[in-house]
Amino acid sequence: EAQVTQNPRYLITVTGKKLTVTCSQNMNHEYMSWYRQDPGLGLRQIYYSMNVEVTDKGDVPEGYKVSRKEKRNFPLILESPSPNQTSLYFCASTGTGETQYFGPGTRLLVL
Amino acid sequence: GNSVTQMEGPVTLSEEAFLTINCTYTATGYPSLFWYVQYPGEGLQLLLKATKADDKGSNKGFEATYRKETTSFHLEKGSVQVSDSAVYFCALRRSGFGNEKLTFGTGTRLTIIP
Repeated sequence: EAQVTQNPRYLITVTGKKLTVTCSQNMNHEYMSWYRQDPGLGLRQIYYSMNVEVTDKGDVPEGYKVSRKEKRNFPLILESPSPNQTSLYFCASTGTGETQYFGPGTRLLVL
Repeated sequence: GNSVTQMEGPVTLSEEAFLTINCTYTATGYPSLFWYVQYPGEGLQLLLKATKADDKGSNKGFEATYRKETTSFHLEKGSVQVSDSAVYFCALRRSGFGNEKLTFGTGTRLTIIP
């Protein structure tokens, strides 16, 4: 079954404590992306990756890092989380011009 | 830049009512257009898509037609069910430029009452 998985699904943390949200896909897609969803703003792209070791900033990259060491994995790293990063995060993957598949989401609360 | 504007919610309808959720877009070139649906507690699922002008996307009784002259992609369904209650997102994508980014509207929450 085509799938994008994310972990954890829910996370409560405190300001400044580094965290990583994992994302994995089983469709051999080259392209992966992270979005955040906020009320009244829809989804906005944070970072994307066109292939292994190729990553670039999206629309709202400040405070985030990513890496792409393997094709299937694309973790999102918050080195020093702040309360304005409280949000719902989605990972997505796709082939060029194909349907974009989304993970189930990670709800993050930063206190 | 690219942008998507969709109907503000929330929208509440009775079961079997006709549904329209408006969506208009601004983009250079020829984007592909999508409707995604988000059920409570879940991720986004593709509902339908259209990749060129005058294409009609359809799925699960929902339809939307890519209208280049009015830059619109309105979502319609003739008879809604309680199970259609969800948040609906209109989105566009310009492929072939490296970033397969989807540009989303703000979402419309739909509630169907029995």
